[in-house]
Amino acid sequence: DVKVTQSSRYLVKRTGEKVFLECVQDMDHENMFWYRQDPGLGLRLIYFSYDVKMKEKGDIPEGYSVSREKKERFSLILESASTNQTSMYLCASSRLQGQIYTFGSGTRLTVV
Amino acid sequence: AQSVTQLGSHVSVSEGALVLLRCNYSSSVPPYLFWYVQYPNQGLQLLLKYTSAATLVKGINGFEAEFKKSETSFHLTKPSAHMSDAAEYFCAVSDRDSSASKIIFGSGTRLSIRP
Repeated sequence: DVKVTQSSRYLVKRTGEKVFLECVQDMDHENMFWYRQDPGLGLRLIYFSYDVKMKEKGDIPEGYSVSREKKERFSLILESASTNQTSMYLCASSRLQGQIYTFGSGTRLTVV
Repeated sequence: AQSVTQLGSHVSVSEGALVLLRCNYSSSVPPYLFWYVQYPNQGLQLLLKYTSAATLVKGINGFEAEFKKSETSFHLTKPSAHMSDAAEYFCAVSDRDSSASKIIFGSGTRLSIRP
């Protein structure tokens, strides 16, 4: 089974901190995605990547950046965390031409 | 631009009753359509996918969905609800011409099952 592993299930950070959310997949998928999930808003795409060192902005990239130095790892970075970034963050991966995403279990981030 | 609209943020049915979760899409070209399910404290998993073969698509756990182009709908159904079906369900759309396979998700419908 494809596994997408997010390094933390729960995180609490202070306003202004730099936050790293890590995601690793083990099936050599080309595409990787970061979403945030908020009640009533569904999943909103923050950034995605379809190759190492490649990144594309999603629908809500403001306040975030990403890094993909290796194919299996896609990191989401909050340069200066703010309370409105309190959310559930979901990572997903898929094959280049495939539409079947495999999701991680999510990281619930609270910024205080 | 593509989008999906899920009608009803919360649906409650009795155990054994029909489940109907509604989804309408907007797309300029025939899209790929999906239903994903999210159980508490878990990520999303694929229930079923429409790719332009049969318009009635069968998925896991007894769920199915019918693609109706004239109605731009892709509603999810299950004949008889089970307590284990309680979860959040997301309809999603993807442009079949997109090389990056980007998927747009709806806002989700929480399904509750009454004993």
